[in-house]
Amino acid sequence: DAKTTQPTSMDCAEGRAANLPCNHSTISGNEYVYWYRQIHSQGPQYIIHGLKNNETNEMASLIITEDRKSSTLILPHATLRDTAVYYCIVSSKYNFNKFYFGSGTKLNVKP
Amino acid sequence: DAGVTQSPTHLIKTRGQQVTLRCSPKSGHDTVSWYQQALGQGPQFIFQYYEEEERQRGNFPDRFSGHQFPNYSSELNVNALLLGDSALYLCASSFPTVAGFERYEQYFGPGTRLTVT
Repeated sequence: DAKTTQPTSMDCAEGRAANLPCNHSTISGNEYVYWYRQIHSQGPQYIIHGLKNNETNEMASLIITEDRKSSTLILPHATLRDTAVYYCIVSSKYNFNKFYFGSGTKLNVKP
Repeated sequence: DAGVTQSPTHLIKTRGQQVTLRCSPKSGHDTVSWYQQALGQGPQFIFQYYEEEERQRGNFPDRFSGHQFPNYSSELNVNALLLGDSALYLCASSFPTVAGFERYEQYFGPGTRLTVT
C-alpha cells in the first residue's frame, strides 16, 4: 500500500472550515483514499473515502487532485468535538480492513 | 445495536507473563482485525481473522497469536510479554470483501490498555 504524508498538527477556529492535507504521491490506480479520526482514548472512526472523484457525506468532504497524488479532507464547520487525530490512509478496497496508519494530523479546534 | 466491544478495559501484567484480550464484533460483521497502538503513534496492524482462520498478518512476532470463535468473537494472545508490548490494543470488525460488494469501513472498539511492568 502507498504511504501518506500529513502535517503533524493544525489549528482551526471553531465554526471555520478545517482543511487537512495529505500527500500520497505513490498511490496506484486501484487504491482508495480513506480518512479516519481518533478522538482521545477512543478507537478510530471512519469519516469518508474516495477513489478519484470528490466525495461528500454528513461529516466531511474529500477533495482528490486530478493526478490523485494528494487529497484534502474538509470539515466545513469545525466544532470543539472535532479535535482529534486525523489519519489519511491509502489502500486497495480489498485491503480496507488491513490498514497501515501513519502518525496522522492532530487537529486542534479552538474557541 | 452494540458496536465493537472489548474486554478488559485496562490490564497490568508483568514481563514474561501471558495475556488474553477479547473482542466482540459489531452485529452482522464476521471479520475481525487487531491493531496495536503505542503511545503517540498510529495503530499498527497485527492480524485479521475470518472464518475462524488467520487471513492476513502484519509484522509481528509469533508471540502474538489469535483465535476466532464460531460466533465471530475473537481473542488476541500475547506470550512472554515485553515492556515494549505496552500499548492500546484495538479490535476492528467489518464485513468481508466480496466481489461486487464494496466494503470500505472498519468499526473500531474502544481498545484495551495493556501495561507491562
